[in-house]
Amino acid sequence: SQQGEEDPQALSIQEGENATMNCSYKTSINNLQWYRQNSGRGLVHLILIRSNEREKHSGRLRVTLDTSKKSSSLLITASRAADTASYFCATERNTDKLIFGTGTRLQVFP
Amino acid sequence: DGGITQSPKYLFRKEGQNVTLSCEQNLNHDAMYWYRQDPGQGLRLIYYSQIVNDFQKGDIAEGYSVSREKKESFPLTVTSAQKNPTAFYLCASSTGAGVQETQYFGPGTRLLVL
Repeated sequence: SQQGEEDPQALSIQEGENATMNCSYKTSINNLQWYRQNSGRGLVHLILIRSNEREKHSGRLRVTLDTSKKSSSLLITASRAADTASYFCATERNTDKLIFGTGTRLQVFP
Repeated sequence: DGGITQSPKYLFRKEGQNVTLSCEQNLNHDAMYWYRQDPGQGLRLIYYSQIVNDFQKGDIAEGYSVSREKKESFPLTVTSAQKNPTAFYLCASSTGAGVQETQYFGPGTRLLVL
C-alpha cells in the first residue's frame, strides 16, 4: 500500500530554475525522507526530516514538513541538468519499514 | 569501500525456472530489504530482515523466497510461482529496527523473462 503520493508525476524545467515537488501521506509519521533515483540505478538518500522539524536544508535542497496537512515539499534551487532524476518521498510504517511514493520524474533541460 | 552490491546486473529467466539475485553489504547493517520496482512506479517491499536468521514478508512476497544466514548477505529467489517477474529489483540495508533511518540501496538487478 502506498503512503506517500508525490505531485506532480512529471516536471520539466530549464537549468537555473527552481523545482518543487510535493508529497502527501495518510497516517502520522516519525520522520519523512526524500530519495533520488537516476534512471536504471539504485536510490540515493537525500534528506530526512523529523516530525518535530518544519524545515531542513542541505546544499541546494530545501525540505519542508507540515504535519497538520500531512504533506512535505522538496525544493531544488538553481537546478542543473545533472539533477534530472526521479525523486521519491518515503515514510516509515510500524517503525521497521519504509513506504515509498510513486515518485516525481524531473527533467532539467540545459 | 563500504557499500551494498547486487549481482548480476541483468538476469534472464526461462519459464518455470527459479533464479536467485544476490545482495551483499559490508556496512555492518542489521536490517536488509528487497524491493520490486515496475516501470514508472514506486518501490514495493517484497521481504525484509531485521536480524540474522529472521525475515518477514512484505507487501508482495508471493512467488519469492529469501534467506538470511549471514549478516552481510540477503539473497532473493524468484520462484516459478511468480508469474510476472519482469521488473527491477533493489536491495537495501539500514542500521536496524526502531525508528526508521536512512536506507542504503544497491545498484539493482533487472530481471527479464525469456
